[in-house]
Amino acid sequence: NAGVTQTPKFQVLKTGQSMTLQCAQDMNHNSMYWYRQDPGMGLRLIYYSASEGTTDKGEVPNGYNVSRLNKREFSLRLESAAPSQTSVYFCASRVGQGEITEAFFGQGTRLTVV
Amino acid sequence: DQQVKQNSPSLSVQEGRISILNCDYTNSMFDYFLWYKKYPAEGPTFLISISSIKDKNEDGRFTVFLNKSAKHLSLHIVPSQPGDSAVYFCAAEFLWDKVIFGPGTSLSVIP
Repeated sequence: NAGVTQTPKFQVLKTGQSMTLQCAQDMNHNSMYWYRQDPGMGLRLIYYSASEGTTDKGEVPNGYNVSRLNKREFSLRLESAAPSQTSVYFCASRVGQGEITEAFFGQGTRLTVV
Repeated sequence: DQQVKQNSPSLSVQEGRISILNCDYTNSMFDYFLWYKKYPAEGPTFLISISSIKDKNEDGRFTVFLNKSAKHLSLHIVPSQPGDSAVYFCAAEFLWDKVIFGPGTSLSVIP
């Protein structure tokens, strides 16, 4: 049982380049999330998707776009990377839809923008 | 402005003693609270949760206390073990699936 899988695990980008972080879950969860983790800031919510076909902004959405491709997959896109987007990115999923349950996290993507 | 605060960035405790990690929140609309544990180079994993209608929830060595009037919750670990050394995140939920995390507290349990 893979749980939540993120790709890639590491990435170095030049300022202005674009890339997409991929996330897939095999637990049939409705809700999916993208967080970034920075020192002293904890995990900050970028975007979330409460169900297939819906997405909503979190605390720090600027500079990012997301796509809920289907129930399994939720991607995060950086259109024009900036050094301020250097961070560790975590994707998470949970049952959602009114059920209060814990989130399951991927292993993270360490992104460096130079 | 952070809605979920963990004012102690780090905590050191002797093995066998109690660890108390604190969390404060500002939004009275939060209705569910969770604690996650994170080891280096891994994603966070769920530890324990509490609904806003309760004031205590216990699971083995872990107990979470909620004081709604003070907008404060705490995680107690008794007894603390070296394997408990990790970063602990407090999280709060409202608005149907929106989960907000605090900045985390790094716990070191000294053998």
